[in-house]
Amino acid sequence: DAGITQSPRHKVTETGTPVTLRCHQTENHRYMYWYRQDPGHGLRLIHYSYGVKDTDKGEVSDGYSVSRSKTEDFLLTLESATSSQTSVYFCASCGVGSTDTQYFGPGTRLTVL
Amino acid sequence: GEDVEQSLFLSVREGDSSVINCTYTDSSSTYLYWYKQEPGAGLQLLTYIFSNMDMKQDQRLTVLLNKKDKHLSLRIADTQTGDSAIYFCAEGETGANNLFFGTGTRLTVIP
Repeated sequence: DAGITQSPRHKVTETGTPVTLRCHQTENHRYMYWYRQDPGHGLRLIHYSYGVKDTDKGEVSDGYSVSRSKTEDFLLTLESATSSQTSVYFCASCGVGSTDTQYFGPGTRLTVL
Repeated sequence: GEDVEQSLFLSVREGDSSVINCTYTDSSSTYLYWYKQEPGAGLQLLTYIFSNMDMKQDQRLTVLLNKKDKHLSLRIADTQTGDSAIYFCAEGETGANNLFFGTGTRLTVIP
């Protein structure tokens, strides 16, 4: 398995506070992704990155921003957390080969009170 | 986005075969994937199939693809209690492209 870690693994915060989740990969993968997982929806893409400083929006990007200053790190920021952002967040990374697949981190459970 | 649909629950007895089904709408999908998620863990890639294939077998796992009906299935032979998990199908043009996931099927294996 690709070495992908996420921090923190669990976080409880209050509405209106900023939150940053970190994803770190040791595989030198070019592509990285942030998904959220909610009951009845499966995984939905928030943002993704196709290289350092190159990012784009996914299906559910409102209320989220990302940054990628190094190949190995991809940060997800909730500028002002809302209760609708309570979810489990997964990071993934993927190499550039046509048969490369996405490898997932262990997830971060975020609760916004 | 593309629609990928799965039934939510499946229960089978230990030793029986499990069949998890998935339908998708994007006919341009090149790759179709099956991921497994155990409680409290991330998604683990089980297997994938190219859209120009009908079947792929990997030990106890058999993937069948019907492109005409846009139907994908995962068969697990001799299902074990350790197979209890949520199974997601996903589709995309390549692995690096955005993947669209189904809602997941929770498989419960009854001893």
